[in-house]
Amino acid sequence: QVQLVESGGGLVKPGGSLRLSCAASGFTFSDYYMSWIRQAPGKGLEWLSHISSSSSYTNYADSVKGRFTISRDNAKNSLFLQMNSLRAEDTAVYYCARDSTVGATFDYWGQGTLVTVSS
Amino acid sequence: NFMLTQPHSVSESPGKTVTISCTRSSGTIATNYVQWYQQRPGSAPTIVIYEDNQRPSGVPDRFSGSIDSSSNSASLTISGLKTEDEADYYCQSYDNNNRVFGGGTKLTVL
Repeated sequence: QVQLVESGGGLVKPGGSLRLSCAASGFTFSDYYMSWIRQAPGKGLEWLSHISSSSSYTNYADSVKGRFTISRDNAKNSLFLQMNSLRAEDTAVYYCARDSTVGATFDYWGQGTLVTVSS
Repeated sequence: NFMLTQPHSVSESPGKTVTISCTRSSGTIATNYVQWYQQRPGSAPTIVIYEDNQRPSGVPDRFSGSIDSSSNSASLTISGLKTEDEADYYCQSYDNNNRVFGGGTKLTVL
């Protein structure tokens, strides 16, 4: 069965950096786009970024463009999110999700990893 | 970029039918597929409707989706409400290169 497991969250000071990972299993990882989505405490879902199956294409939401970088390692079935210049408003649960480009459907989600940005 | 607007909350009694709307601010709702996700407290979202009106395997046929071009909106309808349907529901669509979520609707079944 499809599994997505995020890791790397934690407490970081404003201006700091963090790298999130997402380990995928149960499907051919290299066949799919992947996305990162976050949810601030008590708030809604916010799509952040996606990456094509071969890493040739990436796109970002305006809120994180220039600060966050998405990448993947198909040999290791892993997705990453490098987060720099973190702000208090980046505090959220971060989810990775399989992105079915036909219809832009997030058909499988990880359980999420909490990032807290605070001094 | 466009926005998707949902009611903040809806409530209905068990056994009844509820409809949650999702209105697209610009662009045509029918141009890009709409998905719906259910999120129970403390859990990750799960998909309940994809490509406007398709149900993933395992989702009861009490859940249905539709598009209304006249109001430029999508709707999620849940019939025969059960207490287990109480959750937050999010619509989602896309344009060119961006994916957009609605603000979410809290469904209370009381």
